[in-house]
Amino acid sequence: AQSVTQPDIHITVSEGASLELRCNYSYGATPYLFWYVQSPGQGLQLLLKYFSGDTLVQGIKGFEAEFKRSQSSFNLRKPSVHWSDAAEYFCAVGENYGGATNKLIFGTGTLLAVQP
Amino acid sequence: SAVISQKPSRDICQRGTSLTIQCQVDSQVTMMFWYRQQPGQSLTLIATANQGSEATYESGFVIDKFPISRPNLTFSTLTVSNMSPEDSSIYLCSTTLGAETQYFGPGTRLLVL
Repeated sequence: AQSVTQPDIHITVSEGASLELRCNYSYGATPYLFWYVQSPGQGLQLLLKYFSGDTLVQGIKGFEAEFKRSQSSFNLRKPSVHWSDAAEYFCAVGENYGGATNKLIFGTGTLLAVQP
Repeated sequence: SAVISQKPSRDICQRGTSLTIQCQVDSQVTMMFWYRQQPGQSLTLIATANQGSEATYESGFVIDKFPISRPNLTFSTLTVSNMSPEDSSIYLCSTTLGAETQYFGPGTRLLVL
């Protein structure tokens, strides 16, 4: 069965430090992969996505993620964290039905705290 | 990206009652989705709603508890019926643009007393 694992429930980093959030997936075919961010009291905002091609994808707010098929991973990175990045981050895999994404399977999320 | 709105944004309800949540998209879309996010949990798909057909429910969710309407290509409703405190969650609708990417509404925060 398809699944997404985010091993880190909670991470605290200092402002200006680098960040890496881990995501591992289990999926039988080539997955569609996503990172979403949820700020307190807000809905989900798409940060970036991977469908095919270049395995390093750039997203909004200075985030990037790298797809590594051999490791079944899609880790999210940011070189310098800002206080406004404090939020919960969700990795998701989209089931691919003939080129269209149907069901999204989410990881349990990583809550990011940023220290001044 | 699509602009997706939901009403109400939050509500407090008594057990045994029902609440209907509305989701409006600013463009015509084929597929709309309803997710539930229980407190401290991740998102779980409740059902997929395509215009002109019955909603497709995921395992663990039934139509009697979560009836869904999809009257046109821009609108859908989810009803949470006969509510209990366990239904306290955030309910989010989403839709796909460009086939691959889902965009989410702001969510409806429901508290059942």
